[in-house]
Amino acid sequence: DQQVKQNSPSLSVQEGRISILNCDYTNSMFDYFLWYKKYPAEGPTFLISISSIKDKNEDGRFTVFLNKSAKHLSLHIVPSQPGDSAVYFCAASLYNQGGKLIFGQGTELSVKP
Amino acid sequence: EPEVTQTPSHQVTQMGQEVILRCVPISNHLYFYWYRQILGQKVEFLVSFYNNEISEKSEIFDDQFSVERPDGSNFTLKIRSTKLEDSAMYFCASRGRGAGEQYFGPGTRLTVT
Repeated sequence: DQQVKQNSPSLSVQEGRISILNCDYTNSMFDYFLWYKKYPAEGPTFLISISSIKDKNEDGRFTVFLNKSAKHLSLHIVPSQPGDSAVYFCAASLYNQGGKLIFGQGTELSVKP
Repeated sequence: EPEVTQTPSHQVTQMGQEVILRCVPISNHLYFYWYRQILGQKVEFLVSFYNNEISEKSEIFDDQFSVERPDGSNFTLKIRSTKLEDSAMYFCASRGRGAGEQYFGPGTRLTVT
């Protein structure tokens, strides 16, 4: 099941710079997209989400952009901090079908001081 | 802040034994989920539960798996006869009415020997 893909397994960024994490999807019926942050041996922590009717949602240092025509979303973290180092998962759901989440493979972000 | 809790944090069992993984979702949430993550792989949906019944299940969720909400607070996943390939982190999640985001518990690491 490759409906949600994160093609970059890892990303390294300098502290204070922008981190951009990317995600592609294939199912045009997805109506809700989410980003989760995960540390080893812990559960995913919800970060930010966006409905398919929007193209941008911002929360503090985190902004998610959605490009429906390209079936692409991205998470921008500005400025990046060492505490942001974790694995980031994008997920998509069909909200009116029980809302199960389909996850990408994750991107490991490393923010260096 | 309300959170999803899971017990035990780590369960070791022998192949063929039954295990029950327990979850306490956020109290006013109505939708409940189980996911799993095999080491090195993506988080996979297992089952969703709403209004005291399964609303959707994945191909993984075969007859060996069952879920139950025995009272107003607990949500359990039972594996009747564990197999080696059931070894994984199992995450419980819950979602409120009208919300898209799911909140995850810390997970139970299941090791089948």
